[in-house]
Amino acid sequence: SQTIHQWPATLVQPVGSPLSLECTVEGTSNPNLYWYRQAAGRGLQLLFYSVGIGQISSEVPQNLSASRPQDRQFILSSKKLLLSDSGFYLCAFSGTSVTGELFFGEGSRLTVL
Amino acid sequence: RKEVEQDPGPFNVPEGATVAFNCTYSNSASQSFFWYRQDCRKEPKLLMSVYSSGNEDGRFTAQLNRASQYISLLIRDSKLSDSATYLCVVKGATNKLIFGTGTLLAVQP
Repeated sequence: SQTIHQWPATLVQPVGSPLSLECTVEGTSNPNLYWYRQAAGRGLQLLFYSVGIGQISSEVPQNLSASRPQDRQFILSSKKLLLSDSGFYLCAFSGTSVTGELFFGEGSRLTVL
Repeated sequence: RKEVEQDPGPFNVPEGATVAFNCTYSNSASQSFFWYRQDCRKEPKLLMSVYSSGNEDGRFTAQLNRASQYISLLIRDSKLSDSATYLCVVKGATNKLIFGTGTLLAVQP
Protein backbone atom coordinates (compact mmCIF):
# COMPACT_ATOMS: atom_id res chain seq x y z
CA SER A 1 0.00 0.00 0.00
CA GLN A 2 1.01 3.59 -0.52
CA THR A 3 2.22 5.51 2.52
CA ILE A 4 3.75 8.90 3.15
CA HIS A 5 5.81 10.07 6.08
CA GLN A 6 7.31 13.41 6.97
CA TRP A 7 9.50 14.65 9.77
CA PRO A 8 10.15 16.20 12.14
CA ALA A 9 6.64 16.43 13.56
CA THR A 10 7.33 19.52 15.64
CA LEU A 11 10.11 22.05 15.72
CA VAL A 12 10.80 25.40 17.28
CA GLN A 13 13.41 27.48 15.51
CA PRO A 14 14.83 30.97 16.04
CA VAL A 15 14.51 33.64 13.37
CA GLY A 16 17.37 33.41 10.91
CA SER A 17 18.05 29.73 11.45
CA PRO A 18 17.91 27.16 8.63
CA LEU A 19 15.11 24.67 8.05
CA SER A 20 14.89 21.22 6.56
CA LEU A 21 11.71 19.16 6.42
CA GLU A 22 11.78 15.77 4.79
CA CYS A 23 9.06 13.66 3.22
CA THR A 24 9.18 10.16 1.76
CA VAL A 25 6.60 8.10 -0.08
CA GLU A 26 6.43 4.30 -0.19
CA GLY A 27 4.50 1.92 -2.37
CA THR A 28 4.40 3.97 -5.55
CA SER A 29 6.80 5.18 -8.18
CA ASN A 30 7.09 8.58 -9.84
CA PRO A 31 4.42 10.22 -7.68
CA ASN A 32 3.49 13.87 -7.94
CA LEU A 33 4.65 15.46 -4.69
CA TYR A 34 3.49 18.61 -2.97
CA TRP A 35 4.35 20.90 -0.07
CA TYR A 36 1.51 22.87 1.50
CA ARG A 37 1.47 25.30 4.40
CA GLN A 38 -1.48 25.90 6.67
CA ALA A 39 -1.24 29.04 8.78
CA ALA A 40 -3.37 29.32 11.90
CA GLY A 41 -7.02 29.79 10.95
CA ARG A 42 -6.29 29.76 7.24
CA GLY A 43 -6.60 27.37 4.36
CA LEU A 44 -3.92 25.23 2.79
CA GLN A 45 -1.55 27.15 0.58
CA LEU A 46 0.34 25.25 -2.11
CA LEU A 47 4.05 26.06 -1.88
CA PHE A 48 5.75 23.65 -4.28
CA TYR A 49 4.94 20.68 -6.42
CA SER A 50 7.07 18.20 -8.32
CA VAL A 51 6.26 15.82 -11.13
CA GLY A 52 9.67 14.13 -11.15
CA ILE A 53 13.23 14.09 -9.85
CA GLY A 54 14.77 17.54 -9.97
CA GLN A 55 11.54 19.10 -11.28
CA ILE A 56 10.18 21.70 -8.88
CA SER A 57 7.50 24.30 -9.46
CA SER A 58 7.05 27.14 -7.03
CA GLU A 59 3.64 28.60 -6.44
CA VAL A 60 4.42 31.63 -4.30
CA PRO A 61 7.51 33.79 -3.87
CA GLN A 62 9.09 33.24 -0.49
CA ASN A 63 12.31 32.38 1.25
CA LEU A 64 11.61 28.65 1.08
CA SER A 65 12.92 26.17 -1.45
CA ALA A 66 12.20 22.56 -2.32
CA SER A 67 14.24 19.75 -3.75
CA ARG A 68 13.55 16.24 -4.99
CA PRO A 69 16.83 14.35 -4.92
CA GLN A 70 15.16 10.94 -5.31
CA ASP A 71 11.93 9.73 -6.87
CA ARG A 72 10.11 9.36 -3.56
CA GLN A 73 11.83 12.00 -1.48
CA PHE A 74 10.79 15.62 -1.20
CA ILE A 75 12.59 18.19 0.96
CA LEU A 76 11.52 21.66 2.04
CA SER A 77 14.27 24.03 3.09
CA SER A 78 15.06 27.53 4.13
CA LYS A 79 18.42 29.20 4.69
CA LYS A 80 17.02 31.83 7.07
CA LEU A 81 13.62 31.51 8.71
CA LEU A 82 11.27 34.44 9.19
CA LEU A 83 8.58 34.79 11.84
CA SER A 84 6.00 34.53 9.07
CA ASP A 85 7.25 31.04 8.19
CA SER A 86 5.51 29.63 11.25
CA GLY A 87 2.77 27.20 10.37
CA PHE A 88 1.76 23.63 9.73
CA TYR A 89 3.63 22.16 6.78
CA LEU A 90 2.15 19.25 4.93
CA CYS A 91 3.68 17.00 2.32
CA ALA A 92 1.32 15.18 -0.01
CA PHE A 93 1.30 12.89 -3.02
CA SER A 94 -1.25 12.29 -5.73
CA GLY A 95 -3.04 8.98 -5.84
CA THR A 96 -3.17 6.89 -9.01
CA SER A 97 -6.83 7.74 -9.59
CA VAL A 98 -7.55 9.99 -12.58
CA THR A 99 -9.33 12.38 -10.23
CA GLY A 100 -5.98 13.13 -8.59
CA GLU A 101 -6.91 13.27 -4.93
CA LEU A 102 -4.10 13.98 -2.49
CA PHE A 103 -2.88 11.98 0.47
CA PHE A 104 -1.05 13.85 3.19
CA GLY A 105 1.77 13.13 5.55
CA GLU A 106 1.32 13.67 9.26
CA GLY A 107 2.48 17.28 9.06
CA SER A 108 5.30 19.30 10.61
CA ARG A 109 4.40 22.09 12.98
CA LEU A 110 6.96 24.88 12.82
CA THR A 111 7.17 27.72 15.29
CA VAL A 112 9.65 30.48 14.53
CA LEU A 113 10.54 32.65 17.54
CA ARG B 1 -13.68 36.33 -5.09
CA LYS B 2 -12.00 33.31 -3.54
CA GLU B 3 -11.64 30.26 -5.75
CA VAL B 4 -13.29 28.05 -3.14
CA GLU B 5 -15.53 29.47 -0.42
CA GLN B 6 -17.00 27.81 2.62
CA ASP B 7 -18.92 28.98 5.64
CA PRO B 8 -16.31 28.76 8.42
CA GLY B 9 -18.88 27.88 11.06
CA PRO B 10 -18.72 26.68 13.72
CA PHE B 11 -21.73 24.46 13.33
CA ASN B 12 -22.78 23.30 16.77
CA VAL B 13 -25.24 20.42 16.53
CA PRO B 14 -26.54 17.78 18.95
CA GLU B 15 -25.79 14.12 18.48
CA GLY B 16 -28.16 12.54 16.00
CA ALA B 17 -28.76 15.74 14.07
CA THR B 18 -28.45 16.14 10.33
CA VAL B 19 -26.08 18.85 9.19
CA ALA B 20 -25.26 20.18 5.74
CA PHE B 21 -22.27 22.12 4.48
CA ASN B 22 -22.12 24.03 1.24
CA CYS B 23 -19.16 25.17 -0.76
CA THR B 24 -18.98 27.37 -3.87
CA TYR B 25 -16.24 27.49 -6.45
CA SER B 26 -15.44 30.16 -8.99
CA ASN B 27 -13.86 28.27 -11.89
CA SER B 28 -16.50 26.68 -14.07
CA ALA B 29 -13.81 24.53 -15.72
CA SER B 30 -13.10 22.70 -12.46
CA GLN B 31 -12.81 18.97 -13.01
CA SER B 32 -12.85 17.11 -9.72
CA PHE B 33 -14.28 17.74 -6.30
CA PHE B 34 -13.60 16.33 -2.87
CA TRP B 35 -14.43 16.63 0.78
CA TYR B 36 -11.61 16.23 3.27
CA ARG B 37 -11.82 15.95 7.01
CA GLN B 38 -9.21 17.52 9.27
CA ASP B 39 -9.02 16.85 12.99
CA CYS B 40 -7.43 19.43 15.25
CA ARG B 41 -3.68 19.65 14.66
CA LYS B 42 -3.73 16.71 12.26
CA GLU B 43 -3.35 16.28 8.52
CA PRO B 44 -6.38 16.43 6.21
CA LYS B 45 -7.77 13.06 5.20
CA LEU B 46 -9.89 12.29 2.18
CA LEU B 47 -13.51 11.80 3.22
CA MET B 48 -15.04 11.30 -0.19
CA SER B 49 -14.90 12.35 -3.79
CA VAL B 50 -17.92 14.13 -5.22
CA TYR B 51 -19.38 12.80 -8.43
CA SER B 52 -21.72 14.55 -10.82
CA SER B 53 -24.56 12.18 -10.03
CA GLY B 54 -24.08 12.59 -6.29
CA ASN B 55 -22.76 9.85 -4.07
CA GLU B 56 -23.32 8.40 -0.66
CA ASP B 57 -21.05 6.67 1.81
CA GLY B 58 -22.89 5.52 4.88
CA ARG B 59 -24.13 8.58 6.75
CA PHE B 60 -22.40 10.95 4.33
CA THR B 61 -23.88 12.24 1.08
CA ALA B 62 -22.10 14.52 -1.33
CA GLN B 63 -23.68 16.40 -4.21
CA LEU B 64 -22.42 18.55 -7.04
CA ASN B 65 -24.34 21.29 -8.81
CA ARG B 66 -22.27 22.38 -11.80
CA ALA B 67 -24.78 24.97 -12.99
CA SER B 68 -24.63 26.84 -9.69
CA GLN B 69 -21.02 25.89 -9.01
CA TYR B 70 -21.46 24.48 -5.57
CA ILE B 71 -20.94 21.22 -3.80
CA SER B 72 -22.52 20.02 -0.59
CA LEU B 73 -21.92 17.51 2.15
CA LEU B 74 -24.75 16.09 4.23
CA ILE B 75 -24.06 14.21 7.45
CA ARG B 76 -26.94 12.26 8.92
CA ASP B 77 -27.21 10.99 12.50
CA SER B 78 -24.20 13.01 13.66
CA LYS B 79 -21.76 11.33 16.03
CA LEU B 80 -19.42 12.94 18.52
CA SER B 81 -16.59 11.54 16.42
CA ASP B 82 -17.76 13.60 13.44
CA SER B 83 -16.46 16.74 15.16
CA ALA B 84 -13.76 18.11 12.89
CA THR B 85 -13.11 20.67 10.20
CA TYR B 86 -14.47 19.75 6.77
CA LEU B 87 -12.53 21.03 3.79
CA CYS B 88 -14.03 21.53 0.38
CA VAL B 89 -11.49 20.85 -2.36
CA VAL B 90 -11.71 21.61 -6.07
CA LYS B 91 -9.36 20.52 -8.82
CA GLY B 92 -9.03 23.35 -11.26
CA ALA B 93 -8.18 23.49 -14.93
CA THR B 94 -4.48 23.62 -14.04
CA ASN B 95 -4.82 20.26 -12.28
CA LYS B 96 -3.99 21.76 -8.92
CA LEU B 97 -6.18 21.19 -5.90
CA ILE B 98 -7.60 24.31 -4.32
CA PHE B 99 -8.65 23.99 -0.70
CA GLY B 100 -11.35 25.94 1.06
CA THR B 101 -10.62 27.26 4.52
CA GLY B 102 -12.89 24.66 6.07
CA THR B 103 -16.09 24.46 8.08
CA LEU B 104 -15.81 23.56 11.74
CA LEU B 105 -18.34 21.05 13.04
CA ALA B 106 -18.82 20.48 16.76
CA VAL B 107 -21.22 17.70 17.68
CA GLN B 108 -22.51 18.09 21.22
CA PRO B 109 -23.55 15.23 23.52
